[in-house]
Amino acid sequence: QSVLTQPPSVSAAPRQKVTIACSGSRFNIGNNYVSWYQQIPGKAPQLLIYDNNKRPSGIPDRFSASKSGTSATLGITGLQPVDEANYYCGTWDSSLSSVVFGGGTKLTVL
Amino acid sequence: QMQLVQSGAEVKTFGASVKVSCKASGYLFTEFYIHWVRQAPGQGPEWMGWINPNTGGTNYAQKFQGWVTMTRDTSTNTAYMQLSRLMPEDTAVYYCAREGIARRPDYYFDSWGQGTRITVAS
Repeated sequence: QSVLTQPPSVSAAPRQKVTIACSGSRFNIGNNYVSWYQQIPGKAPQLLIYDNNKRPSGIPDRFSASKSGTSATLGITGLQPVDEANYYCGTWDSSLSSVVFGGGTKLTVL
Repeated sequence: QMQLVQSGAEVKTFGASVKVSCKASGYLFTEFYIHWVRQAPGQGPEWMGWINPNTGGTNYAQKFQGWVTMTRDTSTNTAYMQLSRLMPEDTAVYYCAREGIARRPDYYFDSWGQGTRITVAS
């Protein structure tokens, strides 16, 4: 059981937009920065978003994110087949004194 | 180009220990904390702790206190994670990951090693 809650799966057609939600509490998302990672099966995670909504260099602006209260959302526009992957949210949890992650959301591009 | 290269896969027996290495290149090793994260099959990542390569200071997740040890060798720019008293449920891919900001933990990871698969046989 992950501390952060994500939907197990989402799907959308190519060129469409999809959002992935991540729900937590005041101990984690509510008072700390959120980051998002993309993981292609068999590969290491890759940082997509940090500090709630900042993109590292090299990450396309098709990826965006926001935070409100104890929830965060990752958005991907102009879906491409290469976007098929698992997506994880992560943040610091001050009650656990630990980084916590969501259980992951599998994105299928139909 | 910065890179983290980890040691190879290992198979261990119940109760054994394992030590995974993570060699950094392409940046100043002592400037960025190294975190260790593991991922069991079909599960999300699980954070284990960090090491400050500059001072050797560590911070372990509560779950791993007493059975994980993180060290570093600044002469070879290598971080190590040792896990003792292995059980089958420790079977996972273990990753090292670089902190995204210099000189302090901000708890996001901008570069990851390729992962080391540890299998614990019962």
